[in-house]
Amino acid sequence: EDKVVQSPLSLVVHEGDTVTLNCSYEVTNFRSLLWYKQEKKAPTFLFMLTSSGIEKKSGRLSSILDKKELFSILNITATQTGDSAIYLCAPNFGNEKLTFGTGTRLTIIP
Amino acid sequence: GAVVSQHPSRVICKSGTSVKIECRSLDFQATTMFWYRQFPKQSLMLMATSNEGSKATYEQGVEKDKFLINHASLTLSTLTVTSAHPEDSSFYICSARRGGGGYTFGSGTRLTVV
Repeated sequence: EDKVVQSPLSLVVHEGDTVTLNCSYEVTNFRSLLWYKQEKKAPTFLFMLTSSGIEKKSGRLSSILDKKELFSILNITATQTGDSAIYLCAPNFGNEKLTFGTGTRLTIIP
Repeated sequence: GAVVSQHPSRVICKSGTSVKIECRSLDFQATTMFWYRQFPKQSLMLMATSNEGSKATYEQGVEKDKFLINHASLTLSTLTVTSAHPEDSSFYICSARRGGGGYTFGSGTRLTVV
């Protein structure tokens, strides 16, 4: 059975800190892995990763995939209160379905 | 580009009644649409996958007679919660995919059954 685990489940840091969120998966027919940020409503897209070792960057956020060790990390540097959200990773197993992880609830304290 | 509109954003209904939720792709044709349910402080759980013009594929444990999905066109999918009960209260989110492209989510519908 395909499995997605995110850690930590919850994280509280001060504004300006750097955080690393983890996503590990056990899947068959892996195609890609997506990261989303969910605030109050629907998730918003952050990154899609398909190749190992290639870092994707968007402002203070970056993400990388390790297909050999079956995990991905999402880094946020110089965190701001607006980064407070639930961060979800979702591997795609080649059948169009996204299987979401448990999510990491990130809280940034001013 | 790639906007998905979901309606209503919030609905309260009486136990035993049915509720219809619409999901529209506004600026693209969605070959596949997905319906998720999210309980408080939990992740998104996929309920079903629908392709235009064919029957939806439901995930294990999701009652297809209770959660009716219709995907009559490339821009519209509907989820009808039939004979709703308080345990169906949840946040329902749709997602649409264009061809081999990315996934765009609707803004979600918070259903409360009283």
